[in-house]
Amino acid sequence: EDKVVQSPLSLVVHEGDTVTLNCSYEVTNFRSLLWYKQEKKAPTFLFMLTSSGIEKKSGRLSSILDKKELFSILNITATQTGDSAIYLCAVVSNNDMRFGAGTRLTVKP
Amino acid sequence: GAGVSQTPSNKVTEKGKYVELRCDPISGHTALYWYRQSLGQGPEFLIYFQGTGAADDSGLPNDRFFAVRPEGSVSTLKIQRTERGDSAVYLCASSLVSRSSYNEQFFGPGTRLTVL
Repeated sequence: EDKVVQSPLSLVVHEGDTVTLNCSYEVTNFRSLLWYKQEKKAPTFLFMLTSSGIEKKSGRLSSILDKKELFSILNITATQTGDSAIYLCAVVSNNDMRFGAGTRLTVKP
Repeated sequence: GAGVSQTPSNKVTEKGKYVELRCDPISGHTALYWYRQSLGQGPEFLIYFQGTGAADDSGLPNDRFFAVRPEGSVSTLKIQRTERGDSAVYLCASSLVSRSSYNEQFFGPGTRLTVL
């Protein structure tokens, strides 16, 4: 059965810290991996990764995919309180898009 | 432009009642998805529409759940004989084209359903 596992489930840091969120997966017919940020209800899109080793970057956020080891990481540098959210990883296959349980990040001032 | 909208934002009902949840996708998006998100979990796929037809309803948990999209735009998720375990946030998303060629899914704010 396909699965997407995120770790840690929750994380508390202070402003200015750097965090690394992990997503590992086992799916058949992998197509892409996506990261979303969910602050209240609607997840908002961050990155889509399809190729190994190519870093996607947006401001203080970056992400990379390893299709051999079947995982992705999301890095956030110089964290701010506004980064507090649930970060969701989703893997797209031929059949569907499957989400992990998310990592709840809390950034304290 | 307007994003995906969902109504109501919150719905409280009693066990055994029937509920309808509405989703208005972004104009021009042909693909529409329903997800259910329980507390502490990621969104769980329910059903996917391409145009008017349900291309994949494999995520619907049982026959109490049904969804329609009669004109290829607005969709309604219908839950019969609600149970307490149906309590969750129901998210709708839409994208430009079909799931076979992935495009970013834009999510609505969700409907929080509470079954007492």
